[in-house]
Amino acid sequence: GAVVSQHPSRVICKSGTSVKIECRSLDFQATTMFWYRQFPKKSLMLMATSNEGSKATYEQGVEKDKFLINHASLTLSTLTVTSAHPEDSSFYICSAQRLEANVLTFGAGSRLTVL
Amino acid sequence: GQQLNQSPQSMFIQEGEDVSMNCTSSSIFNTWLWYKQDPGEGPVLLIALYKAGELTSNGRLTAQFGITRKDSFLNISASIPSDVGIYFCAGQVTSGTYKYIFGTGTRLKVLA
Repeated sequence: GAVVSQHPSRVICKSGTSVKIECRSLDFQATTMFWYRQFPKKSLMLMATSNEGSKATYEQGVEKDKFLINHASLTLSTLTVTSAHPEDSSFYICSAQRLEANVLTFGAGSRLTVL
Repeated sequence: GQQLNQSPQSMFIQEGEDVSMNCTSSSIFNTWLWYKQDPGEGPVLLIALYKAGELTSNGRLTAQFGITRKDSFLNISASIPSDVGIYFCAGQVTSGTYKYIFGTGTRLKVLA
């Protein structure tokens, strides 16, 4: 149990385009999901906390207009990187919080490359 | 962004040796989680700790929630080659969004 599916796993796009990444909890409901960004050989940096039915809470320094987060249901949160630029290239990982165990279950990550 | 201090940063060990790593913070946490991440994958949960002083095992892994709630350690006994990877601690803050902050990571390499 407790599986989180993240899609796409890899995406390459041209500079200026927008990219949407989906995060789904397959066998449990998640009122809260977290989006992280990871640079090569670095730790996970929290970008935002996504709450079902409400606006996301962004960490300091993360542009909310650039990284749009939508958590429209208890099993789906999406991250849209708008007007992507090469510096947005990174590994983006979502996680869903299992309340009954107070742990995070992670997706497999999405590697974004902006040309 | 906020991060936990994790040490050591990396370590090379011989197969069969025991490994110890720890995380420290200036803040207290509600929950400590330990994860392992393989290259190009998402982190996988190893152990969850919920109470100060709690000691929990999962096979060859043992972790403890520090009494002060500001630190935690993870031990791996009798390491094997598949233990290779990056280990992260994560602490849950005690207010606001109750978000999880990750440690800087320990990169483990096991020599057969």
